Amino acid sequence: EDKVVQSPLSLVVHEGDTVTLNCSYEVTNFRSLLWYKQEKKAPTFLFMLTSSGIEKKSGRLSSILDKKELSSILNITATQTGDSAIYLCAVSLDHSGSARQLTFGSGTQLTVLP
Amino acid sequence: SQTIHQWPATLVQPVGSPLSLECTVEGTSNPNLYWYRQAAGRGLQLLFYSVGIGQISSEVPQNLSASRPQDRQFILSSKKLLLSDSGFYLCAWRAGGLNTQYFGPGTRLTVL
Repeated sequence: EDKVVQSPLSLVVHEGDTVTLNCSYEVTNFRSLLWYKQEKKAPTFLFMLTSSGIEKKSGRLSSILDKKELSSILNITATQTGDSAIYLCAVSLDHSGSARQLTFGSGTQLTVLP
Repeated sequence: SQTIHQWPATLVQPVGSPLSLECTVEGTSNPNLYWYRQAAGRGLQLLFYSVGIGQISSEVPQNLSASRPQDRQFILSSKKLLLSDSGFYLCAWRAGGLNTQYFGPGTRLTVL
C-alpha cells in the first residue's frame, strides 16, 4: 500500500525562526512529490519535485527531494505569522492508464507566534 | 486562466437527507477531475476521479457517488447522508500530461 508520512504533525515557533518539515514515502512507481500550503480553505500549490538533489526555491521557502532516502524536506526561513498553515506533502504515482492520483500525507500544522 | 468553482461553500444537512455538491472548471478542456474529503483539517482522502465525461473511478467504498455530465462539471452525490460523511470536500483538476492538481475552495459539510 502506498504511504506518505509527514513529521512533525504539529509545530509551534516564533516569528523569525527557521523550520524544517519532513515528508517520507513508500510508494510504487514514484513520479513526483508535491508540497501544498493550506490555510483556511483550498490547498495552494508550492512546489513539485521530480529530480533528486535539485532545490526548488520561492522566497523564504525551499524544498529538496532525496530519492535515495525516499524523502523530502520543506524549509521556511525567517518565519512570519502568515506562514501559519497546514503543509501537505503528496506523491504522484506513474501507473499506466491512471489519472495520476496524488497520495497525501496527513500534513504538518505550523503555528508561528508573533 | 483556469479557475475552479465549488458550491455551496457550507452545508448543514440532517442524517438521511440527500446531497449534491457541484464543481466546475473554467479555462481548460478535458481536465482530469478529483473529489477529496478532508477530516479534521488533516490529510486528503481521494474519493473519486474522472478522466472524461461519464468516466468515474472510485477509490473507497462508501455511500457517496460521483458523476461527470459535462467536460468541466463534476458532481458528488449521496442518497442518504451518514454522520460520518461530515467533512471538508475538495474538488481538484489537473491538465493532461502534468502532475500538479489545483484545488477549488471546498465545501464544508456538517451532517447532524
